Amino acid sequence: QKEVEQNSGPLSVPEGAIASLNCTYSDRGSQSFFWYRQYSGKSPELIMFIYSNGDKEDGRFTAQLNKASQYVSLLIRDSQPSDSATYLCAVDRGSTLGRLYFGRGTQLTVWP
Amino acid sequence: DADVTQTPRNRITKTGKRIMLECSQTKGHDRMYWYRQDPGLGLRLIYYSFDVKDINKGEISDGYSVSRQAQAKFSLSLESAIPNQTAFYFCATSEGEGIYGYTFGSGTRLTVV
Repeated sequence: QKEVEQNSGPLSVPEGAIASLNCTYSDRGSQSFFWYRQYSGKSPELIMFIYSNGDKEDGRFTAQLNKASQYVSLLIRDSQPSDSATYLCAVDRGSTLGRLYFGRGTQLTVWP
Repeated sequence: DADVTQTPRNRITKTGKRIMLECSQTKGHDRMYWYRQDPGLGLRLIYYSFDVKDINKGEISDGYSVSRQAQAKFSLSLESAIPNQTAFYFCATSEGEGIYGYTFGSGTRLTVV
């Protein structure tokens, strides 16, 4: 089983809709969770992190964490065409001194 | 100036050539990482370093070597480049464990012909 798995894309939503991106992880001891956005040909950019169960909101982005289910998600409200990118989920397992494990990413397209 | 700088941005090289990719950072982070990214395969860890004297292999270190010349500099070498090393290469730094995450450099697009 891969360390970090993301829902296979691509995901396509209309402008103004809510985009939901999902991620599961295998190590129950994992402690911190990150979402990166990567535009085509560019480097990943950190947009959210979460380490406590529940929701964390930042503008149009909400990260949700459920450690019992080993599940983390990212919701993008009022999606814009500029949100079109690949979203990478990353996990700090806690036992690896800060090294992150990445999912393969979900490509999101927001159409006008 | 960028916090994490990679050079070159693009490189085309021939099979069998030795090539070095360089990474320098101004963030003062001890931890540095080299990843490669291939379409559909995500980011895969090549090498990482938690300080100048600490170098560790990642998942795909074969065919690569690294040098940590200083806290701020971490170089990746392909000893004898082969076409399946064609990929995007990213350097990243982090402050530590927990909530810090990584800061990525702008990447190097490497093509081996």
